[in-house]
Amino acid sequence: ETGVTQTPRHLVMGMTNKKSLKCEQHLGHNAMYWYKQSAKKPLELMFVYSLEERVENNSVPSRFSPECPNSSHLFLHLHTLQPEDSALYLCASSLGQGRNTIYFGEGSWLTVV
Amino acid sequence: GQNIDQPTEMTATEGAIVQINCTYQTSGFNGLFWYQQHAGEAPTFLSYNVLDGLEEKGRFSSFLSRSKGYSYLLLKELQMKDSASYLCAVRDINQGGKLIFGQGTELSVKP
Repeated sequence: ETGVTQTPRHLVMGMTNKKSLKCEQHLGHNAMYWYKQSAKKPLELMFVYSLEERVENNSVPSRFSPECPNSSHLFLHLHTLQPEDSALYLCASSLGQGRNTIYFGEGSWLTVV
Repeated sequence: GQNIDQPTEMTATEGAIVQINCTYQTSGFNGLFWYQQHAGEAPTFLSYNVLDGLEEKGRFSSFLSRSKGYSYLLLKELQMKDSASYLCAVRDINQGGKLIFGQGTELSVKP
């Protein structure tokens, strides 16, 4: 138990579907992150939220849409994805953006068919 | 730009010692992290170095040389459960403190 919970753990979706990934942190942190982990590639930072405000968007396609309603919850809305978007999506949180250790959730395995 | 290199795979024997190296190039170094990730699980924090030298934490130690852009993670008395991917990550203050990750080293511990 890392204090960062992600649901669903596994998701299979068609290219025309709309789905969402959910993340909740119980650590009292105020910064949250979405990372993409593909096989044999480094973790890629997608989005950063600090105090519920998006502070970074690393040239991520618009078919990925994040939402941070409060400092404990983070969503990643998915629509019209491509097969190459199949990957492990990791949520993380930290106390202070750009400072301190970040803690990861167990990830959501996404397969786009 | 930023570049982090670590070996893709390593194999070691139960009870032995293994050293996983990480070299980096970054314009605004502000700390180096090691994470352990078992298959299908979350990366978990192992160690943090920001000053030169060795940080010891039980069977795991991490070393940093900022002048050489070099770190290693040392695992002693290896156990089968240490089989995992080990991720090196560097914090870059010139990128808002973002963590830049290496591709990870897949360690297999054999009996």
